[in-house]
Amino acid sequence: AQSVTQPDIHITVSEGASLELRCNYSYGATPYLFWYVQSPGQGLQLLLKYFSGDTLVQGIKGFEAEFKRSQSSFNLRKPSVHWSDAAEYFCAVGVSGSARQLTFGSGTQLTVLP
Amino acid sequence: DTGVSQDPRHKITKRGQNVTFRCDPISEHNRLYWYRQTLGQGPEFLTYFQNEAQLEKSRLLSDRFSAERPKGSFSTLEIQRTEQGDSAMYLCASSLREGGYNEQFFGPGTRLTVL
Repeated sequence: AQSVTQPDIHITVSEGASLELRCNYSYGATPYLFWYVQSPGQGLQLLLKYFSGDTLVQGIKGFEAEFKRSQSSFNLRKPSVHWSDAAEYFCAVGVSGSARQLTFGSGTQLTVLP
Repeated sequence: DTGVSQDPRHKITKRGQNVTFRCDPISEHNRLYWYRQTLGQGPEFLTYFQNEAQLEKSRLLSDRFSAERPKGSFSTLEIQRTEQGDSAMYLCASSLREGGYNEQFFGPGTRLTVL
């Protein structure tokens, strides 16, 4: 069965600093990979996704992620964090099959200091 | 298109009571998913509909849980004889099946507290 690990439960960065959130997955074939963001009282919003092709994918709000098959990783990055980026971030893997439900990591809570 | 909506947003109930949640997906979406999210965890898949057919259920979905999607539009999730362990955020998502892998759009969730 597939699984997702987000090793960092909580990350604190200063506004304007760069950010990298780690995600490792376990799946036997090429996965579909996603990053979602969840703000308090809000639903999950898709930041970006990887299906195939270019391993560096660009998303909304200035985020990008790089798929590294050799490391089973899909880390999320942003060069300069804004205070509004404070939220919880979830990495997810989708698998082929009839349902194509998502398997999520446990999330990383991002705090942004002024 | 107002996105996926869920009702109610919050529900407080006493142990042993039945509760029902509603999800209205994006209108043209034929796939609908229910997930459960407990504190400090990511969402976990519960069940999935394609149109009105419930095609897959997680082992997390005990016999006390039932979901329907009559006419392939809105969906309801009912929990009978609630237990304190049912306290969680229940998320609904929808997507459009047109080949490949489609983005799931999530609703704001229903937060259930069982006293």
